[in-house]
Amino acid sequence: QLQLQESGPGVVKPSETLSLTCTVSGGSISSSSFYWAWIRQPPGKGLEWIGSINYSGSTYYNPSLKSRVTISVETSKNQFSLKLSSVTAADTAVFYCARLRFFEWFDFWGQGSLVTVSS
Amino acid sequence: QSVLTQPPSASGTPGQRVTISCSGSSSNIGTYYVNWYQQVPGAAPKLLIYRNNQRPSGVPDRFFGSKSGTSASLAISGLRSEDEADYYCAAWADSLSGPVFGGGTKLTVL
Repeated sequence: QLQLQESGPGVVKPSETLSLTCTVSGGSISSSSFYWAWIRQPPGKGLEWIGSINYSGSTYYNPSLKSRVTISVETSKNQFSLKLSSVTAADTAVFYCARLRFFEWFDFWGQGSLVTVSS
Repeated sequence: QSVLTQPPSASGTPGQRVTISCSGSSSNIGTYYVNWYQQVPGAAPKLLIYRNNQRPSGVPDRFFGSKSGTSASLAISGLRSEDEADYYCAAWADSLSGPVFGGGTKLTVL
């Protein structure tokens, strides 16, 4: 069974860069059928797609975050990563990594990682 | 404010049938498939319905998705206490060149 696990700091200071990694197990990140995505959920609020990447490094970003987001992939480690720069308190959220099938639906999700932006 | 509009809340008693709506436009639901996710408190979202009306393996047939024009619906029959969760619709949006979620509907089982 495919599993995804987010990892990274739980607290980031304002104006700094948030960095998270998603480790995929039980399957290969290098399949051409899938993209890999980051989604966030502020406390008590809804879901927001941040961006997606495939095994070859092709990326798509939410236009509202594009200027601050970088998603990268490391196939040798079966991981992909998120960097969100110049964070503010408004970026405090649970960040999920997920598999995006046929660029249509998210069929596997990580458990989520809460990142708080605070000095 | 999401481009996909859901009612913030819905409720029903055990055994009842409830429906959750999701309204969009021609540049999202009207053109693309709709997917539904269930998020129980404290957990990650889980895929419930994909491609308008397809259930992943393990999802009971009490859950039924449909789409008409620029709107979609999720129907839950034989409501159970474990169905109490937040439900999100999602679809590709031309404005994002990516997927967009509805604001979510909190389902309470009375």
